[in-house]
Amino acid sequence: GESVGLHLPTLSVQEGDNSIINCAYSNSASDYFIWYKQESGKGPQFIIDIRSNMDKRQGQRVTVLLNKTVKHLSLQIAATQPGDSAVYFCAEGGGYQKVTFGTGTKLQVIP
Amino acid sequence: GAVVSQHPSWVICKSGTSVKIECRSLDFQATTMFWYRQFPKQSLMLMATSNEGSKATYEQGVEKDKFLINHASLTLSTLTVTSAHPEDSSFYICSARDPYTQVMAYEQYFGPGTRLTVT
Repeated sequence: GESVGLHLPTLSVQEGDNSIINCAYSNSASDYFIWYKQESGKGPQFIIDIRSNMDKRQGQRVTVLLNKTVKHLSLQIAATQPGDSAVYFCAEGGGYQKVTFGTGTKLQVIP
Repeated sequence: GAVVSQHPSWVICKSGTSVKIECRSLDFQATTMFWYRQFPKQSLMLMATSNEGSKATYEQGVEKDKFLINHASLTLSTLTVTSAHPEDSSFYICSARDPYTQVMAYEQYFGPGTRLTVT
C-alpha cells in the first residue's frame, strides 16, 4: 500500500552545523506533508508543513523542500542546537483527517 | 496553546487484565480524537479515529473488541486494552483536533503518550 518512509535511521551533526533529514514518500496523491519532532518518551510535536503545490517553505530555523518529481521531502535545520536532538518523522496528511507517519530519523547533535 | 493530556503516563499490568487510558483536551473541545500505537524505535501507527458521540473508526488490522474506544464527551476519549498480553506493550499516543482553530484536516494536537507494559 501507500507509505511514507525514511532512509537514514540516525543522523549525527555537530552543534552549529546545518542538518538535513530526508524522506521518501510513495503516495503521489498526497495533498500535504508534515514534519514532526518527537523527543524521547513524548508525543510528536508539529514543526512545519507544506502543501503539494509548493516546493519550499521556511519557518524559524527550518526549511522544508518538496520534490514531487522524485517524491522526496526534506527538512533542513539551520545552526543545529542540542535541543534539536530528537526523532524526526515526515508524515502525509492523507485521507479525511488521517496522518500517515514515516519511519523516523534520529538526530543526534554533537556538542 | 492547546494542550492534550493523557493519563496515566505509564502503566504496568498483568497479562489477561484490562487497562484504560484517558485522553483529554484541556482547553478546547475536540470533536475528533485519534489513537496511535508506537513500538520502540518505530513509527506511529494510527489505530482508530474517535468521533464524539459516535462509534470509533478502526484501521485495518486493529481489533475493535480488544481496543475499546469511547468518546463520550468533547474533552475526553478513552482507550481500553482488554485482556492485555505482552505483545500489547507499547507507547499509546492520542491526538485531538480543535475544529475551531485548526483549518487543515490533518492538524491535530498530540498528547504526551502512555507507556503500557504487560507482564
